[in-house]
Amino acid sequence: AQSVSQHNHHVILSEAASLELGCNYSYGGTVNLFWYVQYPGQHLQLLLKYFSGDPLVKGIKGFEAEFIKSKFSFNLRKPSVQWSDTAEYFCAVNERGDMRFGAGTRLTVKP
Amino acid sequence: SAVISQKPSRDICQRGTSLTIQCQVDSQVTMMFWYRQQPGQSLTLIATANQGSEATYESGFVIDKFPISRPNLTFSTLTVSNMSPEDSSIYLCSVVVPARGPTTGELFFGEGSRLTVL
Repeated sequence: AQSVSQHNHHVILSEAASLELGCNYSYGGTVNLFWYVQYPGQHLQLLLKYFSGDPLVKGIKGFEAEFIKSKFSFNLRKPSVQWSDTAEYFCAVNERGDMRFGAGTRLTVKP
Repeated sequence: SAVISQKPSRDICQRGTSLTIQCQVDSQVTMMFWYRQQPGQSLTLIATANQGSEATYESGFVIDKFPISRPNLTFSTLTVSNMSPEDSSIYLCSVVVPARGPTTGELFFGEGSRLTVL
């Protein structure tokens, strides 16, 4: 089964800073890729997803992610973060119905 | 999309007791999943519950410890049996809403049940 690595456990940024959260999965194959977000006190919700086609996908709230097949990566980016982006972010990989999650990255945005 | 309600949202339990967590979905879904999210760790799949069949457990999880019911297409329960402090965790119910088929659709999650075992 796939394993998913998120490189940063906790990221602290100031408002308006740019964000990039790393995500790598363990081996090639036909995969579907997701980023989920969990705001404080709320349930997990989908931020964006990649199934096929354009490897640069755009999600809600100005987030985007780029699928680089050769690097087994699906990094999440946002050009300018806001205080309201403070949350935990989870990368997930679905291979033939087997969904695996990364350990999560906690993002703290300072006002 | 799907709206998922979990009960209880949190509980504090004594060692050796059992707790049943309920998951209600606002639409009929084939596949329901139970995850555990331990402090500072990733989400770990406990089991897949499909209506009309026995739940399928992941490695490291057994039916005697985590019995699951799936009586219909909108409801499931997970019981954490004979609890110990190591079972303290958030337990999450999730369902998949087919996008291009049930194996590729995104997951929707309940708010989770935070369990503390003393």
